[in-house]
Amino acid sequence: EVQLVESGGGLVQPGGSLRLSCAASGFTFSNHPMHWVRQAPGKGLEYVSAINSKGVNTYYANSVKGRFTISRDNSKNTLFLQMGSLRPEDMGVYYCARVGYDSGSIQYYYDYWGQGALVTVSS
Amino acid sequence: QSALTQPASVSGSPGQSITISCTGTSSDVGGYNFVSWYQQYPGKAPKLIIFDVSNRPSGISNRFSGSRSGNTASLTISGLQAEDEADYYCISYTSASTLRVFGGGTKLTVL
Repeated sequence: EVQLVESGGGLVQPGGSLRLSCAASGFTFSNHPMHWVRQAPGKGLEYVSAINSKGVNTYYANSVKGRFTISRDNSKNTLFLQMGSLRPEDMGVYYCARVGYDSGSIQYYYDYWGQGALVTVSS
Repeated sequence: QSALTQPASVSGSPGQSITISCTGTSSDVGGYNFVSWYQQYPGKAPKLIIFDVSNRPSGISNRFSGSRSGNTASLTISGLQAEDEADYYCISYTSASTLRVFGGGTKLTVL
């Protein structure tokens, strides 16, 4: 069974830092690109960051570029999001999402999502 | 403001059909066959219901269908049921450096 379990969320002051983790199980983690998607309270989904299967190529939304860093440890089946210089507008639920992989080809949809980690930015 | 435009809300009665639109550009929706749709209940993670414009994952009801015309993709839900009341999001691959663009979401109310 595919599982994605986020952890590391919590309350942080503006300007502070937080590191989210996403533990993957039930599939070959190193085959799949992974993304982070967030959702502010009462708002829609928002793309945050992406990383390719080997962890070489990374991508960021303009709103987090220079403040957030995505990484992964394929030996530990874990995805990370290091968040710095946090702002109130970064508050919300952060989901890790698996990009589909079928017959040796990367797909372009999210076939599994974690349950989310809540990040609260407040003084 | 989201990169893909969806109506904020739609509604329909049980048994009816509704369509949710998702409008982008030739750099995303209109340029690639990589539009996907997700259903999200309050407090829950999104769930994939349509991928690659019109394909349904295993286990998704055939009441859900997807299509595209030009730069606009559409999700149609036929035979509306109370359980379909949820938020729906479209997401597309984009040639931009961000790789993905998201719609703002549509709240479906079953009357």
